[in-house]
Amino acid sequence: GAVVSQHPSRVICKSGTSVKIECRSLDFQATTMFWYRQFPKQSLMLMATSNEGSKATYEQGVEKDKFLINHASLTLSTLTVTSAHPEDSSFYICSAEQSDYGYTFGSGTRLTVV
Amino acid sequence: EDQVTQSPEALRLQEGESSSLNCSYTVSGLRGLFWYRQDPGKGPEFLFTLYSAGEEKEKERLKATLTKKESFLHITAPKPEDSATYLCAVPQAGTALIFGKGTTLSVSS
Repeated sequence: GAVVSQHPSRVICKSGTSVKIECRSLDFQATTMFWYRQFPKQSLMLMATSNEGSKATYEQGVEKDKFLINHASLTLSTLTVTSAHPEDSSFYICSAEQSDYGYTFGSGTRLTVV
Repeated sequence: EDQVTQSPEALRLQEGESSSLNCSYTVSGLRGLFWYRQDPGKGPEFLFTLYSAGEEKEKERLKATLTKKESFLHITAPKPEDSATYLCAVPQAGTALIFGKGTTLSVSS
């Protein structure tokens, strides 16, 4: 139980375009999901907390207009990287908390902006 | 401010050579300490949650322990397949986990 599915696993986009990453809770409902970013050989850094039916809460230093988060249902949160630039290239990971299984993580999305 | 510090950053072991990884934490009201394993290019995989000082949990060659200030992940007789990055995390006030920088373990045969 408590599986989180994340798609796509890899994406390459051109500079200036937008990319959407999906995070789904497959066998439970998640009112809250978390989005992290991980640079090579570094740990996971929390970007934002996604709340179903309300606005996301962003961590200090994270641009709200660049990283758009939508949590329109209890099983789906999306992260859209708008007007992507090479410095946005990173590994993005989502997570959800389930009462019986704790925090579960998606498999991550490797974004490369060229 | 909640903080998690892991040491060492990297650890190289021979197969069968036991060792321990350290995670020290500073939080206002611990609501669990979490250990995860992360393989390259993958999301973190849950290992253990510890809630109170003195608690211990085991899984195969891994054992996690907790004191009031730190947690240890003991690896007994490691195998090459135990090679990974081990992450320690605690929930911050907003419920999201905050992570240490991790310990990258390499086990050679």
